[in-house]
Amino acid sequence: AQTVTQSQPEMSVQEAETVTLSCTYDTSESDYYLFWYKQPPSRQMILVIRQEAYKQQNATENRFSVNFQKAAKSFSLKISDSQLGDAAMYFCASTIKAAGNKLTFGGGTRVLVKP
Amino acid sequence: GAVVSQHPSWVICKSGTSVKIECRSLDFQATTMFWYRQFPKQSLMLMATSNEGSKATYEQGVEKDKFLINHASLTLSTLTVTSAHPEDSSFYICSARRPGTSFPDTQYFGPGTRLTVL
Repeated sequence: AQTVTQSQPEMSVQEAETVTLSCTYDTSESDYYLFWYKQPPSRQMILVIRQEAYKQQNATENRFSVNFQKAAKSFSLKISDSQLGDAAMYFCASTIKAAGNKLTFGGGTRVLVKP
Repeated sequence: GAVVSQHPSWVICKSGTSVKIECRSLDFQATTMFWYRQFPKQSLMLMATSNEGSKATYEQGVEKDKFLINHASLTLSTLTVTSAHPEDSSFYICSARRPGTSFPDTQYFGPGTRLTVL
């Protein structure tokens, strides 16, 4: 079984500043992927970034980067140079090969961006 | 990028009636689609996996007779909420798995359907 935990219900960040969202996961599988999804007020789920568990290098997508600590089962998301459009719910998720692509989501973190 | 649509985007119905929600992959064929339910200010909860040409696989605790899923073609899956009651009011989201060459295939999400049962 997989579990994904996001301990921060809400985070606030000043525009142009940096915010880091925490995520921990638990799985006994060795072949798994981790994701961060963004859900803006429109409620359309948008893939932000993904990380292969077998890769040691942290994934980066423009202003979004992750800190993947495999031993600690930690997968945090850093948003740099925050913009007003980054305001949204962010969900951490995992999938294992044995689960056939089924995603397990964390509880979510709401990000507020102050102008 | 790949596009997944849902119809309707919102629906209001009377208690006891049935409601059908469609999920379509517009520019790719999806052998597998997933249906999620999201309550206000909560996360997505997987309800079932919809497989083209076979029966859906339901998650534990989800009533399969209540939430009927049909994956009629490689681009269409439908979720029918039968005999809807106010407690079925929720936001329903589908995703479609775009087949690739390696695990995991990318999932593309629909925009969701808000169901309100009076």
